[in-house]
Amino acid sequence: GAVVSQHPSRVICKSGTSVKIECRSLDFQATTMFWYRQFPKQSLMLMATSNEGSKATYEQGVEKDKFLINHASLTLSTLTVTSAHPEDSSFYICSARDFGGAGEQFFGPGTRLTVL
Amino acid sequence: AQTVTQSQPEMSVQEAETVTLSCTYDTSESDYYLFWYKQPPSRQMILVIRQEAYKQQNATENRFSVNFQKAAKSFSLKISDSQLGDAAMYFCAYTLQNSGNTPLVFGKGTRLSVIA
Repeated sequence: GAVVSQHPSRVICKSGTSVKIECRSLDFQATTMFWYRQFPKQSLMLMATSNEGSKATYEQGVEKDKFLINHASLTLSTLTVTSAHPEDSSFYICSARDFGGAGEQFFGPGTRLTVL
Repeated sequence: AQTVTQSQPEMSVQEAETVTLSCTYDTSESDYYLFWYKQPPSRQMILVIRQEAYKQQNATENRFSVNFQKAAKSFSLKISDSQLGDAAMYFCAYTLQNSGNTPLVFGKGTRLSVIA
């Protein structure tokens, strides 16, 4: 199956700093990628849909100025958590859909963000 | 809006036995995909099985099979000959067919324990 990488896998930062998370589709082109947030023992919550070459579409309640998404190429989307606070600590997962495939999304391994 | 419901927060099964995880969904669309994803402790999302709504035949993948009832909007997962490695969170998910920018809609998940 298709492979999606995510970097870093784990990051610890101080409150007020910004953190960038990269999501790459390694062996296919992804015009659309998705960013999810997952709290412990809960399901994945969609944050935004990242579209190559255009603005991301954010879900209701997600602050677009806090969670900046850039999809600069067909294989790379980045999520930047700006001015991070402890409540932003969570597990962030990206996924990409291989448009030529059968509808499934391929997920990155996730990034655990801890804000001190 | 489409919704996915998993009514069993937790399930357990004896090793080598069979277990069925339930999933229902709500949609007004006729063309869509349904999935079961597994999330082990590593938190990597792994596709278990996929079903295209237009196919009447239930999908099977080795020890995993589904019971897809389109009229009832039901999509259960049967795991046969359960193994210790099957212990994980299982998420049922839905997405529209032929729409590359449509995200997955997830259920809340079922935590499966396998008893040796």
